[in-house]
Amino acid sequence: GESVGLHLPTLSVQEGDNSIINCAYSNSASDYFIWYKQESGKGPQFIIDIRSNMDKRQGQRVTVLLNKTVKHLSLQIAATQPGDSAVYFCAENSAQSGGYNKLIFGAGTRLAVHP
Amino acid sequence: NAGVMQNPRHLVRRRGQEARLRCSPMKGHSHVYWYRQLPEEGLKFMVYLQKENIIDESGMPKERFSAEFPKEGPSILRIQQVVRGDSAAYFCASSPIRDTNYGYTFGSGTRLTVV
Repeated sequence: GESVGLHLPTLSVQEGDNSIINCAYSNSASDYFIWYKQESGKGPQFIIDIRSNMDKRQGQRVTVLLNKTVKHLSLQIAATQPGDSAVYFCAENSAQSGGYNKLIFGAGTRLAVHP
Repeated sequence: NAGVMQNPRHLVRRRGQEARLRCSPMKGHSHVYWYRQLPEEGLKFMVYLQKENIIDESGMPKERFSAEFPKEGPSILRIQQVVRGDSAAYFCASSPIRDTNYGYTFGSGTRLTVV
């Protein structure tokens, strides 16, 4: 669903630990999902994407898991580093987009990495 | 190979003035998307344009807001008679194709403050 203007949930982790950020998406017909990282004062930065015909995709230090049954997406970051501190957004394409990517963003999770 | 360029980075306007936000897509990209972000929230789709055409403006407020992407030059998001509620970060993204499976790149945004 639409994000709500509340304070962002925060995930605090120790440097070197693994992080898991979760996201519930809204539309069971969505078939493409993206994770973005946004640092303070900057635009969203593409991290990784996944299509609905997959349930897992790996990148460099990141893994995205998709559970279509419960409409849940997660981002796993291995060996979290201070540079990973940011707000993370999941985004889904609007299934009625008419052949282009009209993204619906989740509310975001702030990741705070402590030394 | 420059990314998506937005200017100005910061814009302050008094209530009732006009705001013009510019977005230069990545080289070779002819598709532009505009999103708005309120503090502590995810991005919200505003409009999708191809060169000289508005494809989807379903996220644009009905009044005071307009967007264009001329044959030459950057895409422009124009807000007339700004009000305090227009204060937000405005991001644009570009893509080379019209596709539902493309994780486009965002610019650094324009932060509009209405005083």
